[in-house]
Amino acid sequence: DTAVSQTPKYLVTQMGNDKSIKCEQNLGHDTMYWYKQDSKKFLKIMFSYNNKELIINETVPNRFSPKSPDKAHLNLHINSLELGDSAVYFCASSQEGPRLSTDTQYFGPGTRLTVL
Amino acid sequence: DAKTTQPTSMDCAEGRAANLPCNHSTISGNEYVYWYRQIHSQGPQYIIHGLKNNETNEMASLIITEDRKSSTLILPHATLRDTAVYYCIVRVATRGGADGLTFGKGTHLIIQP
Repeated sequence: DTAVSQTPKYLVTQMGNDKSIKCEQNLGHDTMYWYKQDSKKFLKIMFSYNNKELIINETVPNRFSPKSPDKAHLNLHINSLELGDSAVYFCASSQEGPRLSTDTQYFGPGTRLTVL
Repeated sequence: DAKTTQPTSMDCAEGRAANLPCNHSTISGNEYVYWYRQIHSQGPQYIIHGLKNNETNEMASLIITEDRKSSTLILPHATLRDTAVYYCIVRVATRGGADGLTFGKGTHLIIQP
């Protein structure tokens, strides 16, 4: 069973389009994340979300918006795609435990977005 | 979160122990040391974490110096599948609010046959 899954695995689209990437976790976790890995392989947090709050990395353009229909899903919507949005996007999840050190994050396989 | 310094790349022979160092001289008392790795074309994978005591699990061992300013991840018997980029991350484990991981450049570990 896949713990954290993402669809699609590959996404090729034109500049200016609006697209979504879906993420689902079957771990029962209450916190989910979106990360972006650019062409230089730097991996950066974009959003983290649980049922209490959405934390946004201030460097993320407002064209990017996370949407969570329920606790097991956190989808990423991107409006007006730009060339610089080309990257691999990773979803992750974690569970806040009774001990502060237990928030291990589990990552999905990634979605490679190419904007032409 | 404290900054970490890791070598850019390392080689290790298959079957030998791989020792990956990490410096975190500005670590605070409430910050943990986490290790993740990313195998090519896959998502990052959690390996191990610790606060001040040495830790061991089925994947690796983590040795943290007494002053906590550096640590070493040990893969006891490296295999070709351990070739990956290894990230050392120092962070406060929080509760009551989600907190993303801050990844550096990591160490590209290449296991040689």
